[in-house]
Amino acid sequence: SQTIHQWPATLVQPVGSPLSLECTVEGTSNPNLYWYRQAAGRGLQLLFYSVGIGQISSEVPQNLSASRPQDRQFILSSKKLLLSDSGFYLCAWSPRNTGELFFGEGSRLTVL
Amino acid sequence: QKEVEQNSGPLSVPEGAIASLNCTYSDRVSQSFFWYRQYSGKSPELIMSIYSNGDKEDGRFTAQLNKASQYVSLLIRDSQPSDSATYLCAVKRAGGSYIPTFGRGTSLIVHP
Repeated sequence: SQTIHQWPATLVQPVGSPLSLECTVEGTSNPNLYWYRQAAGRGLQLLFYSVGIGQISSEVPQNLSASRPQDRQFILSSKKLLLSDSGFYLCAWSPRNTGELFFGEGSRLTVL
Repeated sequence: QKEVEQNSGPLSVPEGAIASLNCTYSDRVSQSFFWYRQYSGKSPELIMSIYSNGDKEDGRFTAQLNKASQYVSLLIRDSQPSDSATYLCAVKRAGGSYIPTFGRGTSLIVHP
């Protein structure tokens, strides 16, 4: 069966520090991969999605970036965090074009 | 602008009652429809997918789709306190789109 792992689960970072969140999927190949952010009391905001290695599409211009160095690995990064980057970050995978999303456990980021 | 609308709630129902959650969407080319459950502090979990007009039942859950009226609903029979969560509706258009559009969710409270 397919599983998705995301880490770290919780982190507290100072403004201006870098960020790296990692996500891996097991038990499938060629998944679509997504990064979402959910601010407190808000809906899901799509940040990036990827349909293949090295193929990244950005939905919202910001100081975040994403990379997909391997088929089942998706990384979210920032060089300098802002206060507004605080939130609940969710990685998800989808079988090709089904639209069904399977989420990781999430990473809760607090920027101070 | 593709939109998915949900009443934010909270919807409060007594234990054992039927909870009815509604979702409307604006994109007439929508093809696939999903319901996710999100417990407080946790990541969303896919609970139902529906692709054709009519009803689809899975245990205590029934999804209802009416493409002519552009709405999809989720019924939860014999509601339990453990059903208390936020329910997210998501819609994906036909064709090559990889990205579902999410509503902001309806908070459901099932009280004993």
